[in-house]
Amino acid sequence: ETGVTQSPTHLIKTRGQQVTLRCSSQSGHNTVSWYQQALGQGPQFIFQYYREEENGRGNFPPRFSGLQFPNYSSELNVNALELDDSALYLCASSYRQGYTEAFFGQGTRLTVV
Amino acid sequence: DQQVKQNSPSLSVQEGRISILNCDYTNSMFDYFLWYKKYPAEGPTFLISISSIKDKNEDGRFTVFLNKSAKHLSLHIVPSQPGDSAVYFCAASGDAGNTGKLIFGQGTTLQVKP
Repeated sequence: ETGVTQSPTHLIKTRGQQVTLRCSSQSGHNTVSWYQQALGQGPQFIFQYYREEENGRGNFPPRFSGLQFPNYSSELNVNALELDDSALYLCASSYRQGYTEAFFGQGTRLTVV
Repeated sequence: DQQVKQNSPSLSVQEGRISILNCDYTNSMFDYFLWYKKYPAEGPTFLISISSIKDKNEDGRFTVFLNKSAKHLSLHIVPSQPGDSAVYFCAASGDAGNTGKLIFGQGTTLQVKP
């Protein structure tokens, strides 16, 4: 059983609005990553945070931003929501190095209308 | 540019038989590969992994094979059980052990029939 929890589980927003998603990492993990999973696709890497600094970003625009807090919890913020932002957003916690697996939360289902 | 591909969207097998899920990749810099299983309304759950310096890793009913020259890996499940029915994702990492940065395939839906 993983200790990664995400909130909320479901969310409906209107196009143009802003949204904040939250993640609590597994105890001891120093890295948090965010993924977007569109329907019928695999998760796509958005970005990663390590020691409160962004540590790599995938092919996502700047309106996707994040924060990592000293207790390793994290936020994903999306501004100016578009209909295509509707997806499952997954948070994963891991160690920065060590070839150990990342643990995923259950995800937040975001619907933009 | 899909660096990790799972070309079979779905697979159906009979309980007790072998399930073989395939995955191809293009980036030779990937050094670690993982398989995740996902049930509806849940996050992906880690199954098994393999380092690029190995060609096989086994964990109970699950075995992953890696063919570096062909840039191909496969997951074998023997014997398959109805509870194995889920979406299986192949994922690759190429950042020196940083398994938070993963490139995923599109997934294969496995159905195990009783």
